[in-house]
Amino acid sequence: SQKIEQNSEALNIQEGKTATLTCNYTNYSPAYLQWYRQDPGRGPVFLLLIRENEKEKRKERLKVTFDTTLKQSLFHITASQPADSATYLCALDMGSNYQLIWGAGTKLIIKP
Amino acid sequence: KAGVTQTPRYLIKTRGQQVTLSCSPISGHRSVSWYQQTPGQGLQFLFEYFSETQRNKGNFPGRFSGRQFSNSRSEMNVSTLELGDSALYLCASSSRDTTDTQYFGPGTRLTVL
Repeated sequence: SQKIEQNSEALNIQEGKTATLTCNYTNYSPAYLQWYRQDPGRGPVFLLLIRENEKEKRKERLKVTFDTTLKQSLFHITASQPADSATYLCALDMGSNYQLIWGAGTKLIIKP
Repeated sequence: KAGVTQTPRYLIKTRGQQVTLSCSPISGHRSVSWYQQTPGQGLQFLFEYFSETQRNKGNFPGRFSGRQFSNSRSEMNVSTLELGDSALYLCASSSRDTTDTQYFGPGTRLTVL
């Protein structure tokens, strides 16, 4: 079955630097891959979606890449700010069974 | 547009009891998914409903059930509660399916004593 790996350890980044989070998957490449942000005690909030035929997607300070050869997606936050501190989740959609498969998330801490 | 609402927000139950959680999706959204979230485990998929039909179900015991009404509101029920059922239960709505943006509610924090 499809499995997703996100760095379980918290990622500490200095304010102003670029934060890079990793999402690795096994087996088959998903049709879509989504990234969400979750703050403590709240539900996840959608950030970006990237399709299997797209290499890169950008939205303001956010950038997502999708490498089907490496079976990996990278999520970048440039010019990071303390307000970017949160847990970031990736989710895979295989495109056929109305179910997203979720990673456990990586906690990002941006230090002033 | 009002967001996804979930009730109640917090719930404390004892082992053996049953519980019903409610989710009201964004107006116009017909797909509702339910997830269980525990620390370090990520979101575990429970089930997905679309127009009152369950289209997929995760690997949870039969104690977990759900339904969707004609107005797209959804409920999930957990019978014979166990300590391990303590978790944050999240519902998400989207217009059609998982290829669309999922909009999550704030969740219901269930504690089983």
